Amino acid sequence: EAGVAQSPRYKIIEKRQSVAFWCNPISGHATLYWYQQILGQGPKLLIQFQNNGVVDDSQLPKDRFSAERLKGVDSTLKIQPAKLEDSAVYLCASSPVWTDTQYFGPGTRLTVL
Amino acid sequence: DQQVKQNSPSLSVQEGRISILNCDYTNSMFDYFLWYKKYPAEGPTFLISISSIKDKNEDGRFTVFLNKSAKHLSLHIVPSQPGDSAVYFCAANNNAGNMLTFGGGTRLMVKP
Repeated sequence: EAGVAQSPRYKIIEKRQSVAFWCNPISGHATLYWYQQILGQGPKLLIQFQNNGVVDDSQLPKDRFSAERLKGVDSTLKIQPAKLEDSAVYLCASSPVWTDTQYFGPGTRLTVL
Repeated sequence: DQQVKQNSPSLSVQEGRISILNCDYTNSMFDYFLWYKKYPAEGPTFLISISSIKDKNEDGRFTVFLNKSAKHLSLHIVPSQPGDSAVYFCAANNNAGNMLTFGGGTRLMVKP
């Protein structure tokens, strides 16, 4: 069974530029999550989708971050404009409906200069 | 406000000995706890979990203990192997949804 796919794996941009990350969850997983992991900290949930609907986006900085999952399968997370403090690893995870085990992708390491 | 804390940023253990990783939480609504393991340049992988109705769950070399009154859980690895060297994250969930709150992680180094 293929795992959660993410691209790109690494991205370096300058502040005030925009960037987008892509995630393809495990086939059949209805729930998709985006996390931000700052160096030395645990992952922090940004947004949770159930199929193509948002379940929770309370920790998403909506002035600069946006995410979508239009067809209920893959998802994109966008930052516009990026700030220095957005430097982090962005992790995507998926899970079957209403179970507690989340399966993580390898992440995208973003560096904002 | 850190609801899940791992107070030891790192732990070094000799191969064959026991590794004990600790985690404390403050939110009494948490009722499901998980441990994830993370290697460099990879995403976290699920290791073991425990429901609040239990105080122990075992899977091979890994055992998780939950002390609800102390709001404390621990992961025991016996015997420790060099391949266990990784960062371990404790995470918690409540019955209201599937949103995990993670601790800051503990880096385990198992020396041959």
